[in-house]
Amino acid sequence: GESVGLHLPTLSVQEGDNSIINCAYSNSASDYFIWYKQESGKGPQFIIDIRSNMDKRQGQRVTVLLNKTVKHLSLQIAATQPGDSAVYFCAETPAPEYGNKLVFGAGTILRVKS
Amino acid sequence: DVKVTQSSRYLVKRTGEKVFLECVQDMDHENMFWYRQDPGLGLRLIYFSYDVKMKEKGDIPEGYSVSREKKERFSLILESASTNQTSMYLCASRGETSGYRTQYFGPGTRLTVL
Repeated sequence: GESVGLHLPTLSVQEGDNSIINCAYSNSASDYFIWYKQESGKGPQFIIDIRSNMDKRQGQRVTVLLNKTVKHLSLQIAATQPGDSAVYFCAETPAPEYGNKLVFGAGTILRVKS
Repeated sequence: DVKVTQSSRYLVKRTGEKVFLECVQDMDHENMFWYRQDPGLGLRLIYFSYDVKMKEKGDIPEGYSVSREKKERFSLILESASTNQTSMYLCASRGETSGYRTQYFGPGTRLTVL
């Protein structure tokens, strides 16, 4: 049968601190990466993306870092707020122009303590 | 500001029942997707459709079928529900040229099969 009920890694941070959420990917052919945020009772929402020809991209309070050598992606959230509490997923795809398929990571729970 | 809606938030069915999950998008998107989400496993693609009456298998199509008779509607069908299909089901849609930044997810249907 399927493995369900696995526990997600959880990151607990104090309000105002910076958060770093990590993701390891396995497909060296992946060319495009996305971070999604999923709040309780909602579907995932796009946060930020990055192509493999970049190693850093910044948005509003968020930064994504890509290390292709070790196949690692991270999401940094500056000055974490209670509204940032959610499950965060990374996703990858080899060729966004052609493929319709995203491969998602298992997710990380972010809990912000006030 | 409704974009992707799913017919039910919570559904309880019995083993062997036929189950229909409906998804409707109002953005005139060509591509629509069905995922299931289980703790620790992230989102896994069941089926997707890139046009009316077109469908492609995703990574875990077994036990499921889909229907896309109209552009705005994509249905997921469990012909004979089983307990291992208890899960959260997420629908998503994306335009052909708009990219993953505008892939929107519905709120999800939590299906319990007894």
